[in-house]
Amino acid sequence: DTGVSQNPRHKITKRGQNVTFRCDPISEHNRLYWYRQTLGQGPEFLTYFQNEAQLEKSRLLSDRFSAERPKGSFSTLEIQRTEQGDSAMYLCASSWDRGDYTFGSGTRLTVV
Amino acid sequence: GESVGLHLPTLSVQEGDNSIINCAYSNSASDYFIWYKQESGKGPQFIIDIRSNMDKRQGQRVTVLLNKTVKHLSLQIAATQPGDSAVYFCAENMAATGNTPLVFGKGTRLSVIA
Repeated sequence: DTGVSQNPRHKITKRGQNVTFRCDPISEHNRLYWYRQTLGQGPEFLTYFQNEAQLEKSRLLSDRFSAERPKGSFSTLEIQRTEQGDSAMYLCASSWDRGDYTFGSGTRLTVV
Repeated sequence: GESVGLHLPTLSVQEGDNSIINCAYSNSASDYFIWYKQESGKGPQFIIDIRSNMDKRQGQRVTVLLNKTVKHLSLQIAATQPGDSAVYFCAENMAATGNTPLVFGKGTRLSVIA
């Protein structure tokens, strides 16, 4: 297992377009988390899954954001009708129950 | 609202010196704390953790100290090396419920001067 993998690494999109990011967690991990990070700030929690169940969503996750983990393995995060304020690094992490998180390298989104 | 924060946004140290990075937390219910290191273009990387039933934990060249009385956490790096240059975050969690995600502070940028 090579760790948490995120694709794409970079995404530039025009305002109003939809984007989708993918996260492949460590295969033995049952929990998967999405965080957002802007320049100079710490990661901010968006949502997390235990297996295929989405257990918690942050107030940051507006109606334009949706996350899925259909088979309890990989996850996707979709942003509809992107806005410039959505520009950020989107980080995925996984863990076994409450163990320490292993983060991926992130997807950097730029909305122009 | 309650949150995890840091006292200093930047820290410059001479190579070989010891570094101390501080973190203040305000959620008294938090009982699990983790320090992460983030290098440019990468995701945060686990360094060391500590639970509230401890006040000190040591790893390789790193030590985490927890002072629950004043809600303060610190990370000490011994013999700082150029490869230690990164942003360091503390994160907190409420272990009791088992379901709360980690809450991160804003980070401290450590620059090592050769």
